[in-house]
Amino acid sequence: DIVMTQSPDSLAVSLGERVTINCRSSQSVLFTSRNKDYLAWYQQKPGQPPKLLIYWASTRASGVPDRFSGFGSGTDFTLTISSLQAEDVAVYYCQQYYSSPITFGQGTRLEMK
Amino acid sequence: QVQLQESGPGLVKPSETLSLSCTVSGGSVSNTRYFWGWFRQPPGKGLEWIGNVYFNGNTNYNPSLGSRFTISIDTSQSLFSLTLMSVTAADTAVYFCARHETDGYSFTYADTWGQGTLVIVSS
Repeated sequence: DIVMTQSPDSLAVSLGERVTINCRSSQSVLFTSRNKDYLAWYQQKPGQPPKLLIYWASTRASGVPDRFSGFGSGTDFTLTISSLQAEDVAVYYCQQYYSSPITFGQGTRLEMK
Repeated sequence: QVQLQESGPGLVKPSETLSLSCTVSGGSVSNTRYFWGWFRQPPGKGLEWIGNVYFNGNTNYNPSLGSRFTISIDTSQSLFSLTLMSVTAADTAVYFCARHETDGYSFTYADTWGQGTLVIVSS
């Protein structure tokens, strides 16, 4: 199985500040012949299901604010929130779908400072 | 807009069989663009992929979870189901159904999720 490791486990950020969450995979999730990284990011708020934010490492899902961006390729990825809003408080997960089984990072808890 | 809704018992006794269903509305489970999957999340913990099913009944499972899971689909009723045999306390979790996009080759990310249903295993 591909192991996904996120850092940090948690962070507290002030309103309006920039947020960076890292995700590393134990092997590359870049499908070179298709030129796509098989990596997604999800946001989960308490009592709610995960919400897809980013897929193909950098494509924003429908309706996702443009303050959310995904970067990276191969084994190292980042999710950036350009200016933290109160509604962004949540747990964020990266997920690889390069190979079965699909696996997730352990999650990063984002809080307001 | 497609919606998914889980249904099933909230409480199951140890060693019994858990059965959950996911009803799909606003879309068709026969759509070849999608796989239909199950995930779970133990209380206070992270997300785990259980497996998925295609419209033709082909399934994929997470081998790390063993062989107690069965996923099936009923296109006539627009639903898919999860069965888990011989449950233990370790199976206590919120179970989510979800829709996976395909990339033309296989399943990919899950773009739509049900609200989830909490299943507690206890005598």
